Amino acid sequence: NAGVMQNPRHLVRRRGQEARLRCSPMKGHSHVYWYRQLPEEGLKFMVYLQKENIIDESGMPKERFSAEFPKEGPSILRIQQVVRGDSAAYFCASSPGGHEQFFGPGTRLTVL
Amino acid sequence: GNSVTQMEGPVTLSEEAFLTINCTYTATGYPSLFWYVQYPGEGLQLLLKATKADDKGSNKGFEATYRKETTSFHLEKGSVQVSDSAVYFCALSEGSGNTGKLIFGQGTTLQVKP
Repeated sequence: NAGVMQNPRHLVRRRGQEARLRCSPMKGHSHVYWYRQLPEEGLKFMVYLQKENIIDESGMPKERFSAEFPKEGPSILRIQQVVRGDSAAYFCASSPGGHEQFFGPGTRLTVL
Repeated sequence: GNSVTQMEGPVTLSEEAFLTINCTYTATGYPSLFWYVQYPGEGLQLLLKATKADDKGSNKGFEATYRKETTSFHLEKGSVQVSDSAVYFCALSEGSGNTGKLIFGQGTTLQVKP
């Protein structure tokens, strides 16, 4: 059973561009979480999704950020008009339900 | 709101030394508690967990006991190895009826020298 997959692993964008981060959960997992890790900080919850539904987006910035988890395909975290402060590692975790989450290797976003 | 506080790092130890990383939490209800480990350039791996008071989680020589009276979940290992060098995160998951999102401490870097 493959683990949580994230791609790309590294992403470089210039200010004002869009960033799309993908997350494929473990087989059989229908719950996906996104977290952001700023340099020298812990992980901060962003959003929790189940198939086709956003359940909790209390950690998402109000503007420029969106997430989806379609019926088919990976979950996508989308950042429009990126700024330097968006530079961070973005981690996806999946769960079959319950409290245990399995993390992907992360996408490291650098905004120039 | 709920929160997790860890001791600040870095923690530097010699091989075979005893390790303690302190973690305390603030939460309503009955959270589950976790320790995750992050090796350089990688994602987080679950190290151990405890779901109710007085439970002891253990894995790979690491242990932590869920202490409700002191709201703590300190990580311990009797004899560290160089390969244990990593960043350790304490986390809580809010209890039943919630979304299960994890709230993390700021992380503690452990450096073990040969």
